[in-house]
Amino acid sequence: GAVVSQHPSWVICKSGTSVKIECRSLDFQATTMFWYRQFPKQSLMLMATSNEGSKATYEQGVEKDKFLINHASLTLSTLTVTSAHPEDSSFYICSAGVGGSGSEETQYFGPGTRLLVL
Amino acid sequence: GENVEQHPSTLSVQEGDSAVIKCTYSDSASNYFPWYKQELGKRPQLIIDIRSNVGEKKDQRIAVTLNKTAKHFSLHITETQPEDSAVYFCAASRIGGSYIPTFGRGTSLIVHP
Repeated sequence: GAVVSQHPSWVICKSGTSVKIECRSLDFQATTMFWYRQFPKQSLMLMATSNEGSKATYEQGVEKDKFLINHASLTLSTLTVTSAHPEDSSFYICSAGVGGSGSEETQYFGPGTRLLVL
Repeated sequence: GENVEQHPSTLSVQEGDSAVIKCTYSDSASNYFPWYKQELGKRPQLIIDIRSNVGEKKDQRIAVTLNKTAKHFSLHITETQPEDSAVYFCAASRIGGSYIPTFGRGTSLIVHP
């Protein structure tokens, strides 16, 4: 099946620093990738849709200047949490869609990045 | 936009029993419904999916049913085992073109040995 990697898996940083998270599709090309945030025992909250070669589409309430997304190639999207604060501590997960013969798109998720801001 | 409701939020069963998780959706244009299993601290994994041209799909102990008229779909797990314990998410989306899947809130399934 399709494999999505994410790096790093764990980040601990000081308040005010910026953190970059990479999401890669290893064996397929992904025109679109999604970035989610998940709090403990809660559902996946879509933050933004990352589109290769164009600007990301952010969900309502998500600050685009705070969460910078760059989809530089068909296999790589990055999320940068700028000037991180303790309230940004969360589990960040990316996903990428794989088109099938029926044009369906199944999402495959990365392993997630756990961010802790001190 | 699409709205997906998922119930129950927590489900506790004895090993060997069946478990059923139900989801409803609001957008009649949604035609693809995947189910994901997420173990603690890990990524969501696709376990089964169904398209709107099918009413039921089965894969060993897991089955999904879809009622397009009522706009609801369900996950059925038979002969549950402790390793089935996890959080299960349903989702609704649209095949083809630009789509954004909408996830349910998740169901925490606990299978007691």
